[in-house]
Amino acid sequence: EDKVVQSPLSLVVHEGDTVTLNCSYEVTNFRSLLWYKQEKKAPTFLFMLTSSGIEKKSGRLSSILDKKELFSILNITATQTGDSAIYLCAAGGSNYKLTFGKGTLLTVNP
Amino acid sequence: DTAVSQTPKYLVTQMGNDKSIKCEQNLGHDTMYWYKQDSKKFLKIMFSYNNKELIINETVPNRFSPKSPDKAHLNLHINSLELGDSAVYFCASSPQRGAGGSREQYFGPGTRLTVT
Repeated sequence: EDKVVQSPLSLVVHEGDTVTLNCSYEVTNFRSLLWYKQEKKAPTFLFMLTSSGIEKKSGRLSSILDKKELFSILNITATQTGDSAIYLCAAGGSNYKLTFGKGTLLTVNP
Repeated sequence: DTAVSQTPKYLVTQMGNDKSIKCEQNLGHDTMYWYKQDSKKFLKIMFSYNNKELIINETVPNRFSPKSPDKAHLNLHINSLELGDSAVYFCASSPQRGAGGSREQYFGPGTRLTVT
């Protein structure tokens, strides 16, 4: 069965800190790794990675995929209180399905 | 302009009742999904339709029945509601056209179902 494991499950930091969130996966016929941010309502799409070693960047957020070691990391630099959310990692195979991890709850204190 | 919308946003009902949740997307996507998110925030796929055809049907009780009248709409009907059905139900849509990969999915605002 496909599996996605995220760590840590929760993290508390101060504004300005840099954080690294981890995601490992075991997915049959892996094709893509996705990151989402969930605040109070729906998950919002951040990144999709399909190629190993190529960093995707959006402002203070960046992510990279290692297909050999089957993991991805999401980095957030100079964190702000607005970054507080659950960050979800999902992996997709050669079908239509995404398997989600349990998420990392990030709390950024002022 | 809402991309993926769901109605209702909140649903409170008693055990044994039957209820429906509706989802619509205006993104022109071919594939739509239903997810259940439990109290621990774990998102689990329930069903998926591609262009009105059921393509994912996870281990879900028969009381749950999806229906896609066209590729922009996906509804979820639940019969004989139980306490354990209480959760947030998310609809999502994806530009994915055929098997061979998994594209990004865009989520609706969710429907919080409470069964008393």
